[in-house]
Amino acid sequence: GQNIDQPTEMTATEGAIVQINCTYQTSGFNGLFWYQQHAGEAPTFLSYNVLDGLEEKGRFSSFLSRSKGYSYLLLKELQMKDSASYLCTFNRGSTLGRLYFGRGTQLTVWP
Amino acid sequence: DAGVTQSPTHLIKTRGQHVTLRCSPISGHKSVSWYQQVLGQGPQFIFQYYEKEERGRGNFPDRFSARQFPNYSSELNVNALLLGDSALYLCASSLAIGAQETQYFGPGTRLLVL
Repeated sequence: GQNIDQPTEMTATEGAIVQINCTYQTSGFNGLFWYQQHAGEAPTFLSYNVLDGLEEKGRFSSFLSRSKGYSYLLLKELQMKDSASYLCTFNRGSTLGRLYFGRGTQLTVWP
Repeated sequence: DAGVTQSPTHLIKTRGQHVTLRCSPISGHKSVSWYQQVLGQGPQFIFQYYEKEERGRGNFPDRFSARQFPNYSSELNVNALLLGDSALYLCASSLAIGAQETQYFGPGTRLLVL
């Protein structure tokens, strides 16, 4: 089967840096996506990693280690608006159109 | 450019009824996927359609069905509603089906079954 594990909740203060970890187990892994979801809203795309290494996009960076089944999302210079759920998800080569989601990490940013 | 649109935004039904949810993908996108998100959980895959054909089905009962129209819009139908069907139903579109295709989500339809 497929499994994703990420912390349920995290808290941080404005201006800080936070790292949200995600581990996954699956056969036929293709690539890993991170989405942000504010309460009551749709998930919005943040990043995609298919090769090992770090992808940087503004204040957000995402890392992938395929051999370890591990990814993290790094958020810098935290702002109040970053308070949201962060969803780690992957797709598989045999079912490319299907995303497998974890439960998400609820991040709360305090002033 | 308009993003993915879904209708209705909210819906209240009673057990045993059926419901039809609608989705219009981003212009030019030919693939539509449906997900169910129960409160406190991540989205769970229901269906994917590409070029009007079903390309994937998740672990949902036959009460759930869908279709895609020639203009690439899609409908999700749920029959014999159960209390447990209460959830946020998300539609996502992508250009095609590919290894690096990003799915873009609509605002969802929040269904409450009483």
